[in-house]
Amino acid sequence: QQKVQQSPESLIVPEGGMASLNCTSSDRNVDYFWWYRQHSGKSPKMLMSIFSNGEKEEGRFTVHLNKASLHTSLHIRDSQPSDSALYLCAASMQDYAQGLTFGLGTRVSVFP
Amino acid sequence: EAAVTQSPRSKVAVTGGKVTLSCHQTNNHDYMYWYRQDTGHGLRLIHYSYVADSTEKGDIPDGYKASRPSQENFSLILELASLSQTAVYFCASSPDWGNTGQLYFGEGSKLTVL
Repeated sequence: QQKVQQSPESLIVPEGGMASLNCTSSDRNVDYFWWYRQHSGKSPKMLMSIFSNGEKEEGRFTVHLNKASLHTSLHIRDSQPSDSALYLCAASMQDYAQGLTFGLGTRVSVFP
Repeated sequence: EAAVTQSPRSKVAVTGGKVTLSCHQTNNHDYMYWYRQDTGHGLRLIHYSYVADSTEKGDIPDGYKASRPSQENFSLILELASLSQTAVYFCASSPDWGNTGQLYFGEGSKLTVL
């Protein structure tokens, strides 16, 4: 079973619309969450990180975290065609050196 | 910006052959990782290292070896390549413990085993 689950698997959003992505961990050892974005044929790049309960906003992107439920969500407002990509949620466990555990991702397609 | 370079970028190997994927970083990062990405499985950690001359097993180490001869270089070795090892392999480095430091990925190495 995936330790990090993402939903939905895919999302189609009109240009200018809002995209909402979800991520939950089933492992109580999770400490921190990250969101990475991977354009087709490219490598993942970190988009945002969140370590504390609450909300964090950077430009058109907002991340929420509820540590009690181990749930994080990413919201993209005013979506642009360049936002079309695979969005990966990642979590780190208490064995800090082991890098990140990734979910399967949500594929976002923004159409003009 | 952090720089992680992988070679080769693409390789076709025969079943049973030996494959070496190389990774070089110029960021002075202590932590380096090898992940593979497959449809349906996402990114999975194979091996990692936090100091030269030492490597650790990740979540799926079977069939893979790793080597970290220096801080800058980290290699992934497939002694006997198998069909199931066809995937895209990503090397990454991190300046800190995995939980607080972001991962900087290389461009990826696409391996096809025939």
